[in-house]
Amino acid sequence: DTGVSQNPRHKITKRGQNVTFRCDPISEHNRLYWYRQTLGQGPEFLTYFQNEAQLEKSRLLSDRFSAERPKGSFSTLEIQRTEQGDSAMYLCASKTGGRTGELFFGEGSRLTVL
Amino acid sequence: SQQGEEDPQALSIQEGENATMNCSYKTSINNLQWYRQNSGRGLVHLILIRSNEREKHSGRLRVTLDTSKKSSSLLITASRAADTASYFCATDAAAGGGADGLTFGKGTHLIIQP
Repeated sequence: DTGVSQNPRHKITKRGQNVTFRCDPISEHNRLYWYRQTLGQGPEFLTYFQNEAQLEKSRLLSDRFSAERPKGSFSTLEIQRTEQGDSAMYLCASKTGGRTGELFFGEGSRLTVL
Repeated sequence: SQQGEEDPQALSIQEGENATMNCSYKTSINNLQWYRQNSGRGLVHLILIRSNEREKHSGRLRVTLDTSKKSSSLLITASRAADTASYFCATDAAAGGGADGLTFGKGTHLIIQP
């Protein structure tokens, strides 16, 4: 399968714990995006990378959130000191070329904070 | 914040009927895209319409774009039970018009009754 892969698919954690999600984009895609989606809402943009450079971060991305794409391939999204409000689906998407065009999404990582 | 607003929020029709969903947005765009999401899954790209296009077809899908009214519509003809899903419009803002990532609406939840 050469699509976008996200792990883990589901994560249940207690409030205050740290969690990390991984995204493996389609191999030739230089742009990688993270979105967050809560129940009944559309995805909300968090951040994106062009190769290994993190070029934009949403104001939704608080100091407890950090994303990396160290070698311009896979990316990680870490949430420190999780809160119940962090419960959501975290979606990764990738694309090739410039800023416009179709995004290819992974199946998402669903986080539940108890 | 979410730029696009889909209408209606939910739509239930009989198999074989046509389904129409509308999307309104606020800022100037390069293009507008429609995505589909099955429950608990990632988003799948359906169709992209550029700001200089007025109508586009893909199989049973027909998309229109009216930039003067900042609105778009998605028509699914001859609906099937497998079309049951949430449908999102997403805008790609013109340079300087917003975050460098697609901005999604809240979606229309479509149910096709067999």
